[in-house]
Amino acid sequence: KNQVEQSPQSLIILEGKNCTLQCNYTVSPFSNLRWYKQDTGRGPVSLTIMTFSENTKSNGRYTATLDADTKQSSLHITASQLSDSASYICVVSEATGGSYIPTFGRGTSLIVHP
Amino acid sequence: GAGVSQSPRYKVAKRGQDVALRCDPISGHVSLFWYQQALGQGPEFLTYFQNEAQLDKSGLPSDRFFAERPEGSVSTLKIQRTQQEDSAVYLCASSRDFSGSTDTQYFGPGTRLTVL
Repeated sequence: KNQVEQSPQSLIILEGKNCTLQCNYTVSPFSNLRWYKQDTGRGPVSLTIMTFSENTKSNGRYTATLDADTKQSSLHITASQLSDSASYICVVSEATGGSYIPTFGRGTSLIVHP
Repeated sequence: GAGVSQSPRYKVAKRGQDVALRCDPISGHVSLFWYQQALGQGPEFLTYFQNEAQLDKSGLPSDRFFAERPEGSVSTLKIQRTQQEDSAVYLCASSRDFSGSTDTQYFGPGTRLTVL
């Protein structure tokens, strides 16, 4: 069964600090990997999307990396802000021609304190 | 429209009742997805439409769940004879093009279903 494991489960950091969230997956064959930010009570918002050939993608203070050989991804947040407090979800999609089956991780809950 | 909208935002149902959840995708978006998100969990895929065609419904947990998108725009997720384990947030997302691409998915705010 395809799995996406995220760590840590939760994280508390001080405003202005950097942090890195991890995602390991077993999804195969691999199509793409996405990171989402989900604020409480709202739908997820896309941060980055990476395909097999991409090993890094940035979106402002967010930088995602992908190692397709080891099936690992990370999301690095630079100079954290209070508004970064949210759940960050890693999603990996299978390449099953014509069909779309994403597998979601359980998310990392990030709290940024002033 | 400005974004994906879902209604109702909250629904309380007695066990055994039927419910219908509505999703209005972004205008012109081809692909539409339904997900179920239990408390404290990540979303889980339910079903996917490309225009009016339901291309994948492998994630629907039972035959009590039914989804449709008859005109290729608005979609309805129907749950018959609701059970307590159906309590969750139901998320809808749409994307401009074929889902197998790296197209961005835009999510609605979700419908929180509570079955008593």
